[in-house]
Amino acid sequence: DAGVIQSPRHEVTEMGQEVTLRCKPISGHNSLFWYRQTMMRGLELLIYFNNNVPIDDSGMPEDRFSAKMPNASFSTLKIQPSEPRDSAVYFCASSHRRLNGYTFGSGTRLTVV
Amino acid sequence: KQEVTQIPAALSVPEGENLVLNCSFTDSAIYNLQWFRQDPGKGLTSLLLIQSSQREQTSGRLNASLDKSSGRSTLYIAASQPGDSATYLCAVRAWVGGYNKLIFGAGTRLAVHP
Repeated sequence: DAGVIQSPRHEVTEMGQEVTLRCKPISGHNSLFWYRQTMMRGLELLIYFNNNVPIDDSGMPEDRFSAKMPNASFSTLKIQPSEPRDSAVYFCASSHRRLNGYTFGSGTRLTVV
Repeated sequence: KQEVTQIPAALSVPEGENLVLNCSFTDSAIYNLQWFRQDPGKGLTSLLLIQSSQREQTSGRLNASLDKSSGRSTLYIAASQPGDSATYLCAVRAWVGGYNKLIFGAGTRLAVHP
């Protein structure tokens, strides 16, 4: 089991550019979560999918953020256009069932200059 | 509204001490509680998962207890080592605002010095 795989590990981009973060959940897990972590706000849930369907996107900060899960093994989080305040570590996590724990990926450290 | 609080925010101890990290949550209607460890610049590693029907879980030198009725959990670390230095995060899985969510505390930053 390779765990939850995120790419890229680090991303530095200029303000206004489009950024796409990728996640491959653990095979067989039916729930996928995108979190953002900053020093000021800690870990915030952005959006989560259940069986590839977005269930709760109330944490998505603005329309500049969008997420997709075209199949059970892949999800993307896109920011367009990016802004310096989007700089953070973005984590993806997956879970099998409601009573199971979450498994987190190693995160993508995004820096927008 | 479900809120998770961790005390203390930071802790510095000499090697060998037994430690207790505290976590409290405001709504006892939870599915489970999970303790994570996060090293600087790294992801979250799951340490222990306690279901709402359970009282405690143990893994090596770690023991986590859950008192759902009082909204509390403790993480006990026996014979602490410098390698235990990290941030420890507590999270509850609960039904919040119509959705099943994992709600995190702000963490306890632990430093164990030789």
